Amino acid sequence: KAGVTQTPRYLIKTRGQQVTLSCSPISGHRSVSWYQQTPGQGLQFLFEYFSETQRNKGNFPGRFSGRQFSNSRSEMNVSTLELGDSALYLCASSFQGGSPYNEQFFGPGTRLTVL
Amino acid sequence: DAKTTQPPSMDCAEGRAANLPCNHSTISGNEYVYWYRQIHSQGPQYIIHGLKNNETNEMASLIITEDRKSSTLILPHATLRDTAVYYCIVRVESNAGNMLTFGGGTRLMVKP
Repeated sequence: KAGVTQTPRYLIKTRGQQVTLSCSPISGHRSVSWYQQTPGQGLQFLFEYFSETQRNKGNFPGRFSGRQFSNSRSEMNVSTLELGDSALYLCASSFQGGSPYNEQFFGPGTRLTVL
Repeated sequence: DAKTTQPPSMDCAEGRAANLPCNHSTISGNEYVYWYRQIHSQGPQYIIHGLKNNETNEMASLIITEDRKSSTLILPHATLRDTAVYYCIVRVESNAGNMLTFGGGTRLMVKP
């Protein structure tokens, strides 16, 4: 089975621009979560989508948004980029939400650099 | 979800057992203990989880104290490839979602 894939792997943007990152979950997985990882703040939860609906949201400003498509693929968008948005953005998928054996599988991440 | 406390770093000799502790003194009865690790420049990887019984899989063993206030992840024969940041996470299992709250983790350095 193919793992979680994220595109692009690396991205360079300038302040004020917007960016869209893509995540393809493992086949059959319906839950997709997004995380931001920075040296200062560590790994922080952004949001989770399940069956095309946002189910949970972390403490990030409205510039960060996402969506999930009917095939469970997900995108996240960051508008009006700031220097502090430079980070590794990780996507994780799981088969279904909340069951005790709900292992999450992470992708390799997208490294975003904002200049 | 309950908060966890882990030492920031540990060293281990290659071939020896690595014992990574985690304190979760405020854990509640329906919270599971999960361990993930993150090898440099990769996404986190699930290792093992448990509720109150000790658990073992092909990667590691998880020992949870009887009062469930702490746990230890054991890598029985550490290799250089086990060098990573190890995260202990406590969370309730429900249908409300899959959010994981990562702390600082323990940076394990396996040395030859």
